[in-house]
Amino acid sequence: DQQVKQNSPSLSVQEGRISILNCDYTNSMFDYFLWYKKYPAEGPTFLISISSIKDKNEDGRFTVFLNKSAKHLSLHIVPSQPGDSAVYFCAASAGAGGTSYGKLTFGQGTILTVHP
Amino acid sequence: DAMVIQNPRYQVTQFGKPVTLSCSQTLNHNVMYWYQQKSSQAPKLLFHYYDKDFNNEADTPDNFQSRRPNTSFCFLDIRSPGLGDAAMYLCATSRDLVERRFLYEQYFGPGTRLTVT
Repeated sequence: DQQVKQNSPSLSVQEGRISILNCDYTNSMFDYFLWYKKYPAEGPTFLISISSIKDKNEDGRFTVFLNKSAKHLSLHIVPSQPGDSAVYFCAASAGAGGTSYGKLTFGQGTILTVHP
Repeated sequence: DAMVIQNPRYQVTQFGKPVTLSCSQTLNHNVMYWYQQKSSQAPKLLFHYYDKDFNNEADTPDNFQSRRPNTSFCFLDIRSPGLGDAAMYLCATSRDLVERRFLYEQYFGPGTRLTVT
């Protein structure tokens, strides 16, 4: 039972254009969402996050949108750069009050390729 | 630079031969995690340590064990590796602070790719 799904295994975008990566989830208890980026031969690195009390969070070229009713979130990268080429993982957490660890449920990842 | 280090980066073991993967961190984080990631799949949490308290995920096989002798080091022991245990194993850390978001902003090592022959 995959609770976090990234239905597009790959995405190809021209440099300077917008990249939109999508993620769907099924668990209505998820209340915190994150995006991680992974380069080859490296571990995932945290990129941006959003709490369920918000519907948008922006950090420079990266914006995450959350649509709770649709159980959908997306990551927008504008403008896309060749250095953004990586695997992007969506992750979600259903942390209740008092938990002492951050259990994350990950999606399978989307390979983003930005062409010069 | 503060970081999460995993050794070795590549490990080959024989079917049924015990193997240990190691993780160390210089971040002084109190939570450490082990994930298993199979090809083209999502990373899957196996267990975590909060300081010395060990917490197993319900569906983690008994074949997988872990040790955390001190804050900096954590080990993953696979007692009798099967072919299905071939995967990338990721170690991660996080801080437990008042703001919950710090638990989720995890710092990952580069991973150890395990091959079982």
